[in-house]
Amino acid sequence: GEDVEQSLFLSVREGDSSVINCTYTDSSSTYLYWYKQEPGAGLQLLTYIFSNMDMKQDQRLTVLLNKKDKHLSLRIADTQTGDSAIYFCAEQRSSNTGKLIFGQGTTLQVKP
Amino acid sequence: NAGVTQTPKFQVLKTGQSMTLQCAQDMNHEYMSWYRQDPGMGLRLIHYSVGAGITDQGEVPNGYNVSRSTTEDFPLRLLSAAPSQTSVYFCASSRLTGIRSDEQYFGPGTRLTVT
Repeated sequence: GEDVEQSLFLSVREGDSSVINCTYTDSSSTYLYWYKQEPGAGLQLLTYIFSNMDMKQDQRLTVLLNKKDKHLSLRIADTQTGDSAIYFCAEQRSSNTGKLIFGQGTTLQVKP
Repeated sequence: NAGVTQTPKFQVLKTGQSMTLQCAQDMNHEYMSWYRQDPGMGLRLIHYSVGAGITDQGEVPNGYNVSRSTTEDFPLRLLSAAPSQTSVYFCASSRLTGIRSDEQYFGPGTRLTVT
């Protein structure tokens, strides 16, 4: 299959941790990305991980990669109302072309 | 830098009409691409280009044409609009820095409705 899969919706309370999951299919993927899209705006790169890494942490964001299961997750600690957005994972399947395959996006709703 | 700019922001077309969505970047990026975004389907790649004079098809190229005569511009042409092309269209650009594609910068999008 060609798909990158994400669950469509996640709701958390302010201050809790959010975990957004993604599965991909191409074992030769080189880089995996997380993008954020706020309402009415384009996509903004949050973070990325190289396929030979298991984990990457960047302030409140932690990315975990299980290459064996082709599973990627994004954990947002201390989730704030400003984190409400759609989050897309994307995989880069071939080097040097910039082509990305996106998941369907997970809408994160943060309740005060 | 203005980044990636797209025009128009909104457009309504009748079935069968043609139009061109404009995309420009002023960052001297080699790579440019067009995506469409539909509810529940994420972003799907329409066409992309790795440099002036070079274009290639993405996942959903049918009904669209592109050209890349300059590094800065990457217009997307709808030849004969259909209601199935109602969508939000995003243009993106990035450097090509070897193994990893550098961060892709996205334009603000064009919301197209075909009636």
